[in-house]
Amino acid sequence: EAGVAQSPRYKIIEKRQSVAFWCNPISGHATLYWYQQILGQGPKLLIQFQNNGVVDDSQLPKDRFSAERLKGVDSTLKIQPAKLEDSAVYLCASNRALGDEQFFGPGTRLTVL
Amino acid sequence: DQQVKQNSPSLSVQEGRISILNCDYTNSMFDYFLWYKKYPAEGPTFLISISSIKDKNEDGRFTVFLNKSAKHLSLHIVPSQPGDSAVYFCAATGAGSYQLTFGKGTKLSVIP
Repeated sequence: EAGVAQSPRYKIIEKRQSVAFWCNPISGHATLYWYQQILGQGPKLLIQFQNNGVVDDSQLPKDRFSAERLKGVDSTLKIQPAKLEDSAVYLCASNRALGDEQFFGPGTRLTVL
Repeated sequence: DQQVKQNSPSLSVQEGRISILNCDYTNSMFDYFLWYKKYPAEGPTFLISISSIKDKNEDGRFTVFLNKSAKHLSLHIVPSQPGDSAVYFCAATGAGSYQLTFGKGTKLSVIP
């Protein structure tokens, strides 16, 4: 079974630029999560989808971050405009149903200069 | 406010000895606890979990202990192997939510 795929693996941008990350969850997994992991911290949940609907986006900075999962499969997370403090690893995870084990992708490391 | 705390950023252990990683939590509504292991440039992978109705769960070399009154859990690895060298995250969930709250992680180095 293929794991959670993410791209790109690394991205370097300047502040005020825009960036987008892509995630393809494990086939059949209804729930998809985006986490932000700042260096030295644990992953912090940004947004949770159930199929193509948002379950929780209370910790998503909506003035600059947006995410979508239009067909209930893959998802994109966008930052516009980026700030220095957005430098982090962005992790995508999925599970078959709420409460099941979450499987994580390898993450996208974003550096904002 | 950190609801899940891992106060030791790093731990070094000799191969073959026991590794003990600690985690404290403040939210009394948490009722399910997990440990994740993370290698560099990879995503976290699930290691072991424990429900609040238990005080111990064992899986091979890995055992998690839960002390609800102290709001403390620990992960024991016996015997430690060089391949166990990784960052270990403690996570918790509960109160009707399946969302995970993570600690900052502890970097374990197992010295051959």
